[in-house]
Amino acid sequence: AQSVAQPEDQVNVAEGNPLTVKCTYSVSGNPYLFWYVQYPNRGLQFLLKYITGDNLVKGSYGFEAEFNKSQTSFHLKKPSALVSDSALYFCAVRDFLNTGGFKTIFGAGTRLFVKA
Amino acid sequence: GAVVSQHPSWVICKSGTSVKIECRSLDFQATTMFWYRQFPKQSLMLMATSNEGSKATYEQGVEKDKFLINHASLTLSTLTVTSAHPEDSSFYICSARETVQGANYEQYFGPGTRLTVT
Repeated sequence: AQSVAQPEDQVNVAEGNPLTVKCTYSVSGNPYLFWYVQYPNRGLQFLLKYITGDNLVKGSYGFEAEFNKSQTSFHLKKPSALVSDSALYFCAVRDFLNTGGFKTIFGAGTRLFVKA
Repeated sequence: GAVVSQHPSWVICKSGTSVKIECRSLDFQATTMFWYRQFPKQSLMLMATSNEGSKATYEQGVEKDKFLINHASLTLSTLTVTSAHPEDSSFYICSARETVQGANYEQYFGPGTRLTVT
C-alpha cells in the first residue's frame, strides 16, 4: 500500500545549526516527490520537487532534499537554520497507479521550531 | 512573486446546499490548477488537478460528482461542493502552476477557504 511517513511530529533546532526533516515513502513505482511548507498565517508554499535526474534537489529558501531510492527516503535539509524557517513541513509522494490514474499522498507534517 | 486568490475566505452553508469556491491567479496564467483539502488535524489531501479547457483529473477516492471543478480560463478555476454535508466541512486550498523555462514550474497557493456546513 502507498504511504508516506514523516516520523517526527516536531523538530527543534538552534538557529545556525543544520536541520533535517525526515520523509520516507512506500509506493509501487517510481514516484514524484515534493516538499511543501506552511508558515503561520501565510498559507502553503511549494519548496521543491524530485521527478528524475540528480538525486540532490535544490529548492526555495536554501532548502534541499536528497532522493535515496534504496532507503526510499526524501529528507529535507538546510545547512543553517533561521528562526524564520519555523513552520509546518509536508512531504508528498505522487504515485502512478496501474489503473492509469495517480494518487498524491501527503505525510502528516512535521513542525519545525528554530530557536534563536 | 505570483499571487493566487481564493474567494470566499470563509463560508457557512446549510446541509444539502451547494457552495462554490473560486481560485484566481492574479498576475500570471495558470494552465494547471490544483485543489487540496486540509483536515482538522492538519493533514493534506490533493483532490484534483484541473487543466484549462479540459475535464479535471480527480485523485483516487475523490467523488467527482460531489466536488465539481471547472477551469474555464487561464486565470480561474472553481470548486463546487454539491449537496454539502457536515463532513465536507474543511479547509480547501487551491494552487496554480506557472510554467517556467519549459518543463520546470512554480506552484503558488491560495490562502484557503474555510467551509463550515451546518
